[in-house]
Amino acid sequence: GAVVSQHPSWVICKSGTSVKIECRSLDFQATTMFWYRQFPKQSLMLMATSNEGSKATYEQGVEKDKFLINHASLTLSTLTVTSAHPEDSSFYICSARDASGSPYEQYFGPGTRLTVT
Amino acid sequence: QQQVKQSPQSLIVQKGGISIINCAYENTAFDYFPWYQQFPGKGPALLIAIRPDVSEKKEGRFTISFNKSAKQFSLHIMDSQPGDSATYFCAARNTGNQFYFGTGTSLTVIP
Repeated sequence: GAVVSQHPSWVICKSGTSVKIECRSLDFQATTMFWYRQFPKQSLMLMATSNEGSKATYEQGVEKDKFLINHASLTLSTLTVTSAHPEDSSFYICSARDASGSPYEQYFGPGTRLTVT
Repeated sequence: QQQVKQSPQSLIVQKGGISIINCAYENTAFDYFPWYQQFPGKGPALLIAIRPDVSEKKEGRFTISFNKSAKQFSLHIMDSQPGDSATYFCAARNTGNQFYFGTGTSLTVIP
C-alpha cells in the first residue's frame, strides 16, 4: 500500500519550453502533496505544499510563476516548470500524505529527472 | 537556512559494524523525526521515525536515539550490511506538516 508514482521518470527538454510532471497516489487519497527538488548528492529542498482544491503554498525563494502546481484531485498533483532553463535541471520528487492515515507520514514518489538543454 | 543539520557527510563502515548518523535541529515546534533511505535515482523511503515524547525507538537493526533537551537525534544501524549502502536523510516535521531534510549521509558498507 501507499504507493506514489511520478511521470515521466526522466525528461529532456530544450531551454524555453515548459515541462509537466505528474504525481499520483495509486492506492490512497492524498489531500496534501509536497514537491521537492534535489540536486546531485544534495538534500531534498521543499518547494511547495499542495492541497487539493486550493492554491499551493510555496517556500521562500521558490518562484510560483515558474513552478506551477495544480492539485485538481485527491490522487493527482502536477508540477509545471515554465520556460525551463538549464539551471532548472534537477531531480524533482513529490510526496503525498494519506488523508485517512497517519498525519505524520508522507510517501515519496520515485522522482523525475529533468534535464534542460 | 538549514533547519536540520546532519553529520557526517559520508561514512564507511565494515560489514557487521555499527553505522551512526547524527542530526540536530533548532525549531522546538518540530514534532516528528523520520529517517529516510535513498538509493541512486530513487525517491526516499521511510526507514524509521520517532516522536519527541520517546527517547529511543528500535526496529530490527535500526535504532533512533532522541535527546529532546539537546535537540539532537541519531540513527544507529547495527550489524551493517553491504545492502545498507545508500544515502540516509534525517528529517523533521513542523505543525504545518512540512518536512525539512538534513543534508544527507552517504553510507558505504565494505564487505
